[in-house]
Amino acid sequence: AQTVTQSQPEMSVQEAETVTLSCTYDTSESDYYLFWYKQPPSRQMILVIRQEAYKQQNATENRFSVNFQKAAKSFSLKISDSQLGDAAMYFCAYSGTYKYIFGTGTRLKVLA
Amino acid sequence: DAGVIQSPRHEVTEMGQEVTLRCKPISGHNSLFWYRQTMMRGLELLIYFNNNVPIDDSGMPEDRFSAKMPNASFSTLKIQPSEPRDSAVYFCASSLTGRAVNEQFFGPGTRLTVL
Repeated sequence: AQTVTQSQPEMSVQEAETVTLSCTYDTSESDYYLFWYKQPPSRQMILVIRQEAYKQQNATENRFSVNFQKAAKSFSLKISDSQLGDAAMYFCAYSGTYKYIFGTGTRLKVLA
Repeated sequence: DAGVIQSPRHEVTEMGQEVTLRCKPISGHNSLFWYRQTMMRGLELLIYFNNNVPIDDSGMPEDRFSAKMPNASFSTLKIQPSEPRDSAVYFCASSLTGRAVNEQFFGPGTRLTVL
């Protein structure tokens, strides 16, 4: 069975600094998607970034980038130049054939 | 597009009452998901529909919970009878599914309080 693990319940970062959130997963499938979602205090879930497993190049969206290590089944999110608005819960998610699994989340605090 | 629409946004009810949560997915999306979020248990998938057919309902906690999707544009999650431990935020999400489930678009959630 597929699993998604986020081992950091909470992280803090100074404004303008860089932070990396960790995510590992387990699967026997070869074709799947990985996602990072952000949930700010408003509660609305927002997609941050997506990675397709067959693409070796790491996805990047402005200040957000991932380090996708397929063999190690690792999918970390790097946030550069952290801003106060980045404070939120971040969820890692796995999508395979008829399966969609979320991790337990990492709460990110941004310190002014 | 208006995005995923959920109603009501807030619901307060008394133990034993029936509760019905509603969801309108994004037009054209063929997958729909119901989630429950609590501080203790995090985000839990309750049920997943693909082309209006329930694919995975293993997350439905017990027989008090039921979900339907009578057509591609509407789904309900019903709790009967409700209990205080059902208090949570319930999210509906929709997606366009191909070889795997793609990005999910979430609704704003329904905050349910059972007294």
